[in-house]
Amino acid sequence: AQRVTQPEKLLSVFKGAPVELKCNYSYSGSPELFWYVQYSRQRLQLLLRHISRESIKGFTADLNKGETSFHLKKPFAQEEDSAMYYCALFGNEKLTFGTGTRLTIIP
Amino acid sequence: GAVVSQHPSWVICKSGTSVKIECRSLDFQATTMFWYRQFPKQSLMLMATSNEGSKATYEQGVEKDKFLINHASLTLSTLTVTSAHPEDSSFYICSASQGARGGYTFGSGTRLTVV
Repeated sequence: AQRVTQPEKLLSVFKGAPVELKCNYSYSGSPELFWYVQYSRQRLQLLLRHISRESIKGFTADLNKGETSFHLKKPFAQEEDSAMYYCALFGNEKLTFGTGTRLTIIP
Repeated sequence: GAVVSQHPSWVICKSGTSVKIECRSLDFQATTMFWYRQFPKQSLMLMATSNEGSKATYEQGVEKDKFLINHASLTLSTLTVTSAHPEDSSFYICSASQGARGGYTFGSGTRLTVV
Protein backbone atom coordinates (compact mmCIF):
# COMPACT_ATOMS: atom_id res chain seq x y z
CA ALA A 1 0.00 0.00 0.00
CA GLN A 2 1.19 3.50 -0.74
CA ARG A 3 1.49 6.06 1.97
CA VAL A 4 2.51 9.68 2.30
CA THR A 5 3.68 11.10 5.61
CA GLN A 6 3.96 14.75 6.50
CA PRO A 7 5.29 14.76 10.05
CA GLU A 8 4.62 18.43 10.80
CA LYS A 9 1.01 19.53 11.13
CA LEU A 10 2.01 23.10 11.88
CA LEU A 11 5.08 25.07 10.91
CA SER A 12 5.82 28.70 11.68
CA VAL A 13 8.68 30.53 10.01
CA PHE A 14 9.79 34.13 10.09
CA LYS A 15 9.58 36.13 6.89
CA GLY A 16 12.85 35.89 5.00
CA ALA A 17 13.90 32.69 6.71
CA PRO A 18 14.28 29.38 4.84
CA VAL A 19 11.34 27.01 4.71
CA GLU A 20 11.35 23.23 4.54
CA LEU A 21 8.18 21.16 4.60
CA LYS A 22 8.90 17.48 5.03
CA CYS A 23 7.32 14.66 3.08
CA ASN A 24 8.19 10.98 3.18
CA TYR A 25 6.54 8.30 1.14
CA SER A 26 6.15 4.55 0.94
CA TYR A 27 5.58 2.97 -2.46
CA SER A 28 6.88 -0.18 -4.06
CA GLY A 29 7.18 1.16 -7.59
CA SER A 30 8.62 4.28 -9.15
CA PRO A 31 6.66 7.16 -7.64
CA GLU A 32 5.35 10.36 -9.11
CA LEU A 33 5.24 12.99 -6.41
CA PHE A 34 3.49 16.32 -6.13
CA TRP A 35 3.03 19.24 -3.82
CA TYR A 36 -0.39 20.87 -3.64
CA VAL A 37 -1.20 24.14 -1.89
CA GLN A 38 -4.43 25.51 -0.54
CA TYR A 39 -4.54 29.20 0.32
CA SER A 40 -7.19 30.48 2.67
CA ARG A 41 -10.68 30.15 1.16
CA GLN A 42 -9.31 28.89 -2.14
CA ARG A 43 -9.31 25.55 -3.87
CA LEU A 44 -6.53 23.06 -3.81
CA GLN A 45 -4.02 23.70 -6.59
CA LEU A 46 -0.93 22.04 -7.90
CA LEU A 47 2.28 23.70 -6.75
CA LEU A 48 4.84 21.49 -8.41
CA ARG A 49 5.58 17.94 -9.52
CA HIS A 50 8.89 16.15 -9.35
CA ILE A 51 8.96 15.02 -12.98
CA SER A 52 9.05 18.56 -14.27
CA ARG A 53 11.80 19.66 -11.89
CA GLU A 54 10.47 23.19 -12.00
CA SER A 55 10.46 25.94 -9.43
CA ILE A 56 7.14 27.60 -8.67
CA LYS A 57 6.90 30.72 -6.50
CA GLY A 58 10.45 30.04 -5.39
CA PHE A 59 9.65 26.55 -4.11
CA THR A 60 11.62 23.49 -5.13
CA ALA A 61 11.41 19.85 -4.17
CA ASP A 62 13.88 17.09 -4.88
CA LEU A 63 12.95 13.45 -4.94
CA ASN A 64 15.35 11.43 -2.81
CA LYS A 65 14.68 7.78 -3.49
CA GLY A 66 17.24 6.62 -0.98
CA GLU A 67 15.50 8.45 1.83
CA THR A 68 12.05 8.12 0.20
CA SER A 69 11.54 11.82 0.70
CA PHE A 70 10.22 14.75 -1.30
CA HIS A 71 10.73 17.75 0.93
CA LEU A 72 9.51 21.16 -0.20
CA LYS A 73 11.96 24.03 0.20
CA LYS A 74 12.15 27.75 -0.26
CA PRO A 75 15.20 29.82 0.66
CA PHE A 76 13.37 32.97 1.75
CA ALA A 77 9.82 32.77 3.06
CA GLN A 78 7.26 35.39 2.09
CA GLU A 79 4.06 36.28 3.90
CA GLU A 80 1.94 35.12 0.97
CA ASP A 81 3.34 31.63 1.42
CA SER A 82 1.10 31.10 4.43
CA ALA A 83 -1.18 28.23 3.40
CA MET A 84 -1.90 24.54 3.77
CA TYR A 85 0.51 22.31 1.87
CA TYR A 86 -0.18 18.73 0.85
CA CYS A 87 2.31 16.23 -0.45
CA ALA A 88 0.82 13.61 -2.77
CA LEU A 89 1.94 10.45 -4.51
CA PHE A 90 0.52 9.12 -7.76
CA GLY A 91 0.62 5.36 -7.97
CA ASN A 92 -1.69 2.49 -8.84
CA GLU A 93 -3.76 4.98 -10.84
CA LYS A 94 -4.66 7.16 -7.87
CA LEU A 95 -3.39 10.04 -5.82
CA THR A 96 -2.65 9.54 -2.15
CA PHE A 97 -2.31 12.60 0.02
CA GLY A 98 -0.41 13.32 3.18
CA THR A 99 -2.21 14.91 6.11
CA GLY A 100 -0.93 18.34 5.22
CA THR A 101 1.21 20.99 6.90
CA ARG A 102 -0.11 24.40 7.79
CA LEU A 103 2.62 26.92 7.12
CA THR A 104 2.43 30.28 8.82
CA ILE A 105 4.86 33.02 7.92
CA ILE A 106 5.50 35.42 10.76
CA PRO A 107 5.97 39.02 9.58
CA GLY B 1 -6.22 27.14 -17.28
CA ALA B 2 -8.38 24.14 -16.50
CA VAL B 3 -11.22 24.82 -14.09
CA VAL B 4 -13.38 22.42 -12.12
CA SER B 5 -16.58 23.76 -10.68
CA GLN B 6 -18.10 22.03 -7.67
CA HIS B 7 -21.59 22.77 -6.43
CA PRO B 8 -22.89 23.40 -3.85
CA SER B 9 -20.05 24.76 -1.75
CA TRP B 10 -21.95 23.93 1.42
CA VAL B 11 -25.16 22.14 2.28
CA ILE B 12 -27.07 21.29 5.43
CA CYS B 13 -29.54 18.45 5.32
CA LYS B 14 -31.64 16.38 7.68
CA SER B 15 -30.83 12.81 8.57
CA GLY B 16 -32.37 10.37 6.15
CA THR B 17 -32.41 12.69 3.18
CA SER B 18 -30.20 12.54 0.10
CA VAL B 19 -27.81 15.15 -1.16
CA LYS B 20 -26.34 15.52 -4.63
CA ILE B 21 -22.99 17.19 -5.28
CA GLU B 22 -21.98 18.17 -8.79
CA CYS B 23 -18.51 18.36 -10.26
CA ARG B 24 -18.07 19.97 -13.66
CA SER B 25 -15.01 20.47 -15.81
CA LEU B 26 -15.63 23.84 -17.41
CA ASP B 27 -13.13 24.07 -20.24
CA PHE B 28 -11.94 20.55 -20.80
CA GLN B 29 -13.28 17.06 -21.08
CA ALA B 30 -12.58 14.75 -18.20
CA THR B 31 -12.89 11.05 -18.83
CA THR B 32 -11.91 10.43 -15.24
CA MET B 33 -12.99 12.28 -12.12
CA PHE B 34 -12.16 11.52 -8.53
CA TRP B 35 -14.10 12.04 -5.35
CA TYR B 36 -12.31 12.66 -2.07
CA ARG B 37 -13.45 13.09 1.48
CA GLN B 38 -11.68 14.98 4.19
CA PHE B 39 -12.46 14.63 7.87
CA PRO B 40 -11.34 17.42 10.20
CA LYS B 41 -7.58 17.47 10.67
CA GLN B 42 -7.14 14.41 8.50
CA SER B 43 -5.87 13.77 5.03
CA LEU B 44 -7.80 13.71 1.81
CA MET B 45 -9.10 10.19 1.32
CA LEU B 46 -9.99 8.90 -2.10
CA MET B 47 -13.53 7.56 -2.13
CA ALA B 48 -13.99 6.54 -5.72
CA THR B 49 -12.86 6.98 -9.28
CA SER B 50 -15.57 8.05 -11.67
CA ASN B 51 -15.24 6.99 -15.30
CA GLU B 52 -17.39 8.48 -18.02
CA GLY B 53 -19.88 5.98 -19.35
CA SER B 54 -19.05 3.20 -16.92
CA LYS B 55 -19.44 2.28 -13.29
CA ALA B 56 -17.37 4.02 -10.69
CA THR B 57 -14.56 2.23 -8.93
CA TYR B 58 -14.89 2.48 -5.16
CA GLU B 59 -12.11 2.32 -2.63
CA GLN B 60 -12.17 -0.32 0.04
CA GLY B 61 -14.56 0.55 2.82
CA VAL B 62 -16.66 3.00 0.80
CA GLU B 63 -20.28 1.94 0.46
CA LYS B 64 -21.24 2.18 -3.20
CA ASP B 65 -24.95 2.04 -2.41
CA LYS B 66 -24.61 4.98 -0.07
CA PHE B 67 -22.35 7.14 -2.20
CA LEU B 68 -23.82 6.98 -5.67
CA ILE B 69 -21.60 8.28 -8.43
CA ASN B 70 -22.76 9.10 -11.91
CA HIS B 71 -20.48 10.26 -14.72
CA ALA B 72 -22.91 10.62 -17.58
CA SER B 73 -20.91 13.07 -19.66
CA LEU B 74 -17.33 14.12 -20.21
CA THR B 75 -17.84 17.27 -18.18
CA LEU B 76 -20.05 16.21 -15.30
CA SER B 77 -19.81 13.79 -12.42
CA THR B 78 -22.23 13.71 -9.51
CA LEU B 79 -21.94 12.26 -6.05
CA THR B 80 -25.18 11.53 -4.23
CA VAL B 81 -25.05 10.81 -0.53
CA THR B 82 -28.14 8.71 0.10
CA SER B 83 -29.94 8.48 3.42
CA ALA B 84 -27.43 10.80 4.97
CA HIS B 85 -26.45 10.45 8.62
CA PRO B 86 -24.53 12.83 10.87
CA GLU B 87 -21.39 10.72 10.46
CA ASP B 88 -21.49 11.56 6.75
CA SER B 89 -20.81 15.17 7.63
CA SER B 90 -17.53 15.99 5.99
CA PHE B 91 -15.77 17.96 3.31
CA TYR B 92 -16.08 16.41 -0.15
CA ILE B 93 -13.73 17.38 -2.98
CA CYS B 94 -13.74 16.32 -6.58
CA SER B 95 -10.92 16.46 -9.05
CA ALA B 96 -10.70 15.88 -12.75
CA SER B 97 -7.95 14.52 -14.91
CA GLN B 98 -7.26 16.06 -18.28
CA GLY B 99 -5.69 12.84 -19.38
CA ALA B 100 -2.04 13.65 -18.78
CA ARG B 101 -0.77 11.48 -15.98
CA GLY B 102 -0.96 13.40 -12.74
CA GLY B 103 -2.58 16.47 -14.33
CA TYR B 104 -5.40 16.98 -11.87
CA THR B 105 -7.57 19.99 -11.22
CA PHE B 106 -9.55 20.21 -8.02
CA GLY B 107 -12.96 21.62 -7.26
CA SER B 108 -13.40 24.01 -4.36
CA GLY B 109 -15.09 21.38 -2.24
CA THR B 110 -18.48 20.90 -0.59
CA ARG B 111 -19.03 21.10 3.15
CA LEU B 112 -21.83 18.69 4.04
CA THR B 113 -23.48 18.92 7.43
CA VAL B 114 -26.12 16.37 8.33
CA VAL B 115 -28.32 17.30 11.28
